[in-house]
Amino acid sequence: GAGVSQSPSNKVTEKGKDVELRCDPISGHTALYWYRQSLGQGLEFLIYFQGNSAPDKSGLPSDRFSAERTGGSVSTLTIQRTQQEDSAVYLCASSLFRDNNQPQHFGDGTRLSIL
Amino acid sequence: GDSVTQMEGPVTLSEEAFLTINCTYTATGYPSLFWYVQYPGEGLQLLLKATKADDKGSNKGFEATYRKETTSFHLEKGSVQVSDSAVYFCALSENQFYFGTGTSLTVIP
Repeated sequence: GAGVSQSPSNKVTEKGKDVELRCDPISGHTALYWYRQSLGQGLEFLIYFQGNSAPDKSGLPSDRFSAERTGGSVSTLTIQRTQQEDSAVYLCASSLFRDNNQPQHFGDGTRLSIL
Repeated sequence: GDSVTQMEGPVTLSEEAFLTINCTYTATGYPSLFWYVQYPGEGLQLLLKATKADDKGSNKGFEATYRKETTSFHLEKGSVQVSDSAVYFCALSENQFYFGTGTSLTVIP
C-alpha cells in the first residue's frame, strides 16, 4: 500500500529480551517520527529523523532505547533489556519534509507487551 | 514550553447530536494546528488542519477554527454518526509535534 507500514503489528516478549520494531515510511517522505502511546495516555514523542540523521533524541526514555534509519527510508526502533513499563503501542509517522505545515501520516502501530 | 490541553473524555452522545471537543494550546510562536482521529485498532489519521490564525479546517462534517486570541482549536460537528466513534487528538506543530491526551467519543444509535 501507499501508507506507513509497521511490523510486527503485535509483539509479546519476556522481560529482559531485546525487541526490534520496524517502520516503512511513505515513499519520498524525508521526515520520520517515533511515538509511544501508553494505555489512556496521549502520544509521547521519542525521536525523529530527517533523512538518516536524528537531530532530536531527547524523547528517548532511557539508554535502552535506540533507533536508526538507513537509505532515508526504513527505520528500526530497538529496545534492549525490555521492562514491563515498556509495554505500549509504538507508532511511526512520516511527513514529506519537516515543516510546521506538513501533517504526519501514521502507521497502525506495533502493540508491544512485556511479560 | 509548547503544550496542548484537550477536553477529557469519555464523551457519549446520541446519533445526530452536536459535538464539541475543546482544545487549547500554549506555544511560543505561530504553530500549525491539527485534529487527528484514531478508529479502534487503527493508527492516527489526519482529520483536519489549520495553519494560521482565523483559518478554518474542515473535513467529513467536522470543523475547527484557529483562534489565536483564545489559543483554541475546538472541534465541532453538527450531527454525529455512530461511525464517528473514535478517539480524537488535538495537536500542534512548532518545531515538533505536541499531542493532547485524546478524547474518546462513543456515539450510540
